[in-house]
Amino acid sequence: GQSLEQPSEVTAVEGAIVQINCTYQTSGFYGLSWYQQHDGGAPTFLSYNALDGLEETGRFSSFLSRSDSYGYLLLQELQMKDSASYFCAGYTGFQKLVFGTGTRLLVSP
Amino acid sequence: GAVVSQHPSRVICKSGTSVKIECRSLDFQATTMFWYRQFPKQSLMLMATSNEGSKATYEQGVEKDKFLINHASLTLSTLTVTSAHPEDSSFYICSASLPKTSGSYEQYFGPGTRLTVT
Repeated sequence: GQSLEQPSEVTAVEGAIVQINCTYQTSGFYGLSWYQQHDGGAPTFLSYNALDGLEETGRFSSFLSRSDSYGYLLLQELQMKDSASYFCAGYTGFQKLVFGTGTRLLVSP
Repeated sequence: GAVVSQHPSRVICKSGTSVKIECRSLDFQATTMFWYRQFPKQSLMLMATSNEGSKATYEQGVEKDKFLINHASLTLSTLTVTSAHPEDSSFYICSASLPKTSGSYEQYFGPGTRLTVT
């Protein structure tokens, strides 16, 4: 089977750095994506790791280690608007995405 | 950028009726679209892969006769929830797949449709 596990909730204060982990069990993913979703909204793409290592996009960075079946999303200089749900998602064959369990990030002043 | 729309954004229907949800890729052609369902405070669960000009591929446990998918053109896929029941109330989200220059694909998501069955 394919499953991606994330912590259910993470809390942090404005200006801080937070890391959201994603561990997976699968027969094979081609890459790992990260999405942000505000309540009632659509998922929006944040980052994609096709290869092992770190990808940096502004305040967001994502890391992937295939050998450890592990990835994380790093959010820096947290802002109140970053309060949302975050999902890792693995690309399987046929362009399909399998979403992780999701992490709710609460940013406080 | 690639934009995907959905219509309607919200719909309330009575138990036993059918509801059609449209998903359109506005500025690109999508041979492959996907339909997800999301219950409150849960993750997105893939229901089916919609392929233009051919039958949809359903995930395990999804009733193909209840959730009818039609992908008649390169910019439109429809999901029809037949004989809807209150347990079908959920947030339905579509996405369209677009190839990237790297050879990989990126999915662009629609804004979702909130279905409430009374």
